Amino acid sequence: GAVVSQHPSWVICKSGTSVKIECRSLDFQATTMFWYRQFPKQSLMLMATSNEGSKATYEQGVEKDKFLINHASLTLSTLTVTSAHPEDSSFYICSAKHEYEQYFGPGTRLTVT
Amino acid sequence: AQSVTQLGSHVSVSEGALVLLRCNYSSSVPPYLFWYVQYPNQGLQLLLKYTTGATLVKGINGFEAEFKKSETSFHLTKPSAHMSDAAEYFCAVSSITGNQFYFGTGTSLTVIP
Repeated sequence: GAVVSQHPSWVICKSGTSVKIECRSLDFQATTMFWYRQFPKQSLMLMATSNEGSKATYEQGVEKDKFLINHASLTLSTLTVTSAHPEDSSFYICSAKHEYEQYFGPGTRLTVT
Repeated sequence: AQSVTQLGSHVSVSEGALVLLRCNYSSSVPPYLFWYVQYPNQGLQLLLKYTTGATLVKGINGFEAEFKKSETSFHLTKPSAHMSDAAEYFCAVSSITGNQFYFGTGTSLTVIP
């Protein structure tokens, strides 16, 4: 139980385009989901907390207009990287909260060329 | 805010030797504690967790960890390392609500044949 999926698992896009990443809780409802970013050989950095039906809460230094988060249902949150640039290339991981625990998705590798 | 310290960003052990990965946290209130493993280009896999009760927690793949409140530690051990244990390991602490999740910086484990 408590499975979280992400789609796509990897994506390559051209600089200036937008990319949407989906995070789904498959067997539970998640009022709260989280988005993390991970650079090579580094830990996870929390980008934002997404609450169903309300605006996301962004961590300091994260551009909310660049990283658009939508949590329209209890099983789906999306992260859209707008006008992507090479420096946005990274590994993005989502998690969904169930009771006191966060369950992590498998991650999405974004490469911006 | 809580913080998590993982001593040793890189640990090397011989195959069959004891694995010890250290984790210390700072919290005035006993948190929930987790260990995750991450293989290259994959998400996080939960190894084990401590919430309440017995302080020695057994997880998957032969790993275990002991919560020591007096030392604010939650070190991860495995009696005999396998080649397949080579990966990145993250310690994390959570508030009891699960809304705040803090990761350590990670420890890269290398297993030498």
